[in-house]
Amino acid sequence: GAVVSQHPSRVICKSGTSVKIECRSLDFQATTMFWYRQFPKQSLMLMATSNEGSKATYEQGVEKDKFLINHASLTLSTLTVTSAHPEDSSFYICSSEGDGNEQFFGPGTRLTVL
Amino acid sequence: GQNIDQPTEMTATEGAIVQINCTYQTSGFNGLFWYQQHAGEAPTFLSYNVLDGLEEKGRFSSFLSRSKGYSYLLLKELQMKDSASYLCAAANYGQNFVFGPGTRLSVLP
Repeated sequence: GAVVSQHPSRVICKSGTSVKIECRSLDFQATTMFWYRQFPKQSLMLMATSNEGSKATYEQGVEKDKFLINHASLTLSTLTVTSAHPEDSSFYICSSEGDGNEQFFGPGTRLTVL
Repeated sequence: GQNIDQPTEMTATEGAIVQINCTYQTSGFNGLFWYQQHAGEAPTFLSYNVLDGLEEKGRFSSFLSRSKGYSYLLLKELQMKDSASYLCAAANYGQNFVFGPGTRLSVLP
């Protein structure tokens, strides 16, 4: 299967700061990547679909000005949580499509906002 | 709208067989996926069904009935390492995934 990496794996920041999370496809080109958020003991919630070279498509209820997504190349998508607050603390996971319609997930980034 | 339902928790004994059910209602259905997720880790792909019937892959099998909006994941010869959350996800055209709430499976010795 495809390999997707994320960086950082864990981040702790102060309230009001911005945090950037990188998602890379290591062995394939990904025109589309997906960003999910997962709160403890809950399932994955799709935040946005990241499209290479164009604007991301955000799900209803997700603030595009707060969660900035940039998909500047076929192997890299970034999610920036701007002016983070404690309620933004969560597990953020990216994924990319495989050839067989499945999605391959990155290892996730655990964000803690103090 | 889109809705996916799974049992929240299940418990089974090592060596046994367990079936995790998933019902879904979604527009533009294009396949049903099952993922395994251990605590604190990202989901890993288990199976994909787009046509009706049973797909078998080692100890794991997955079944789909499109007319009934129903799928199940069957785990045989349970091992302790199978304790995890199991997520079913419905894909629609455009490849958006909608995940169910996940079923936390506890395998007891």
